[in-house]
Amino acid sequence: DGGITQSPKYLFRKEGQNVTLSCEQNLNHDAMYWYRQDPGQGLRLIYYSQIVNDFQKGDIAEGYSVSREKKESFPLTVTSAQKNPTAFYLCASSMGRLMGNYGYTFGSGTRLTVV
Amino acid sequence: DAKTTQPTSMDCAEGRAANLPCNHSTISGNEYVYWYRQIHSQGPQYIIHGLKNNETNEMASLIITEDRKSSTLILPHATLRDTAVYYCIVRVRGDYKLSFGAGTTVTVRA
Repeated sequence: DGGITQSPKYLFRKEGQNVTLSCEQNLNHDAMYWYRQDPGQGLRLIYYSQIVNDFQKGDIAEGYSVSREKKESFPLTVTSAQKNPTAFYLCASSMGRLMGNYGYTFGSGTRLTVV
Repeated sequence: DAKTTQPTSMDCAEGRAANLPCNHSTISGNEYVYWYRQIHSQGPQYIIHGLKNNETNEMASLIITEDRKSSTLILPHATLRDTAVYYCIVRVRGDYKLSFGAGTTVTVRA
């Protein structure tokens, strides 16, 4: 079955460490996205990518980095520069400008906790 | 992008219809209305979307007013599994990004 896989589901990080969250999709979608969600809040866009080897900053990109070397993969690195990294991170994909009939397809998320 | 306004929370009785309102008074002609829901600690799930006409699928119905300034998502027979946060979003046609607000927390009670 096609879908988006995020790993790991839970991640613990020590302060000052970088950590990379994985996101893989087999939907043949062109566009991919990373969102952050804090308790009781909506989703905020971190980065998005429309095509391979291209990505743009979202609303809260500071302290994060991404790469898009393959169509299927869009990993997110949370760097030590991110002051409040503890959050629920969601990856999504879409067909791109046309969006298709379903807009975004989301992964099941990674819950990052700084210890 | 047009801003949306939704109630913070609402309750619904199991088996009854749940009507979720959304105000988008500044929507423009090329903006779609999308609805998603997020069950606790999961990724959001697409429900339905529309431009001007009412839409229905296996999950819900979307009623858009003639002036397009508001819409209502209808869950025809709510079940306990419909308890979730529901997001109403407007998206410019051709734009990649969806902006999620705080949504409406819907609690279905037995």
